[in-house]
Parts: sequence; structure tokens; C-alpha cells
Amino acid sequence: DAGITQSPRHKVTETGTPVTLRCHQTENHRYMYWYRQDPGHGLRLIHYSYGVKDTDKGEVSDGYSVSRSKTEDFLLTLESATSSQTSVYFCATSNQDSEQYFGPGTRLTVT
Amino acid sequence: RKEVEQDPGPFNVPEGATVAFNCTYSNSASQSFFWYRQDCRKEPKLLMSVYSSGNEDGRFTAQLNRASQYISLLIRDSKLSDSATYLCVVNDFRGGGGADGLTFGKGTHLIIQP
Repeated sequence: DAGITQSPRHKVTETGTPVTLRCHQTENHRYMYWYRQDPGHGLRLIHYSYGVKDTDKGEVSDGYSVSRSKTEDFLLTLESATSSQTSVYFCATSNQDSEQYFGPGTRLTVT
Repeated sequence: RKEVEQDPGPFNVPEGATVAFNCTYSNSASQSFFWYRQDCRKEPKLLMSVYSSGNEDGRFTAQLNRASQYISLLIRDSKLSDSATYLCVVNDFRGGGGADGLTFGKGTHLIIQP
């Protein structure tokens, strides 16, 4: 395991509120990723980072932003949460552009 | 659009039996392949990488057929603890700083019955 933690683990929020999810890793991995997982869709990449301050969009980036100010932390922000963003969010890391290791996930409910 | 296709199952298999499932991928340029296991309400965990020559890890055997663009996973002497969803993952490795090359299948649900 890559020593990946996510916080919070569960969150319920209201439509229109901002939400920030945190991913923290202790393995000094270069790459970090945010995915969402929904029934019928599998894992979909939201954003990823290939170094401090270096980020790029994934498949489903609309409505999300990210920041990476330190190697160990990767933040995912929903500027104005919508019900369609109710999902399970996984952070992952890798040291190369290869196999990834996942955090325990955050269950987000937007009411 | 890159596609990774898996039979969603569920596969209901008696304990001790051998079970196999396949995954097909659309991008012939794909370079590396993996099987992940995901338990209910948990994160995916790397089960094994898949090498061109095929590889084995205990009761698990993975095979790659590049010509037909499919990957297989064989589980022998199945245990109750093998019950999970198995995700097929393909890496197109774009390189050049782009790290978004992984495509995940939606998973095959396996249930081992006592």
C-alpha cells in the first residue's frame, strides 16, 4: 500500500455549497489522481497531477478543480456542488505512469 | 474513444472450482495491463500485472493475447474470500508528462458459494 489517506471519508452537503476533498500520501509518488466511481460507469478520471503545481484534466473534469502545492497533498474542489456530483471519490498515486494505488475513498452526498 | 469491456456477471461459482473471465480492449497500442480487485464499498487494489508471456501468482494466472486484444484471469481452487469485483485495467502510456493513460473496465462481479 502507498500510504494514502483521504479526508473526509463521508460528507453530506447541500446543493450550491463548496466542498474540498483532501488526498494525502506518504510515499513521495510523483503522480496523483482523482477518480469518481458510479454504478454503471466504473472509475472515471476527474483530474490528475504529474508534479507539484502540474495538473491536467481527465475525462469528467467539468465542475471540479484541483490543486497540488506539495508532493504529498492533492486537493479536489467542487466549487458549487450539484446532485450529479453525489458519488464515491477515490484518490490514487503512482510513481511512474503505470500501476496506481488507491486511497480508501470519500462518499459524498449532495442533497 | 478507448474501451475496456468486461462481462459484468455475476459469476456464481462453488468453492473450490476454477473460474476464468476475459476482458477486451480497443486500443491496439496499449502497452501495459493489470487486474485489480475491489471489495464492496472498498478501494480497488492491485491484484497483478499482466505480462506478454503470461504470469502466475499462486492460484491466479493472467494471460495477454495481443493479437485478439484480450486479457484473461484464471482463479483456481476458488475461496470464499475471492468473492469481489475484478477490474481489468489497460495503460496506453502516453508519456511526455501525461499520466492519464489508464482505462478501467467496469468490472466482473464474482461470488464464490460455499
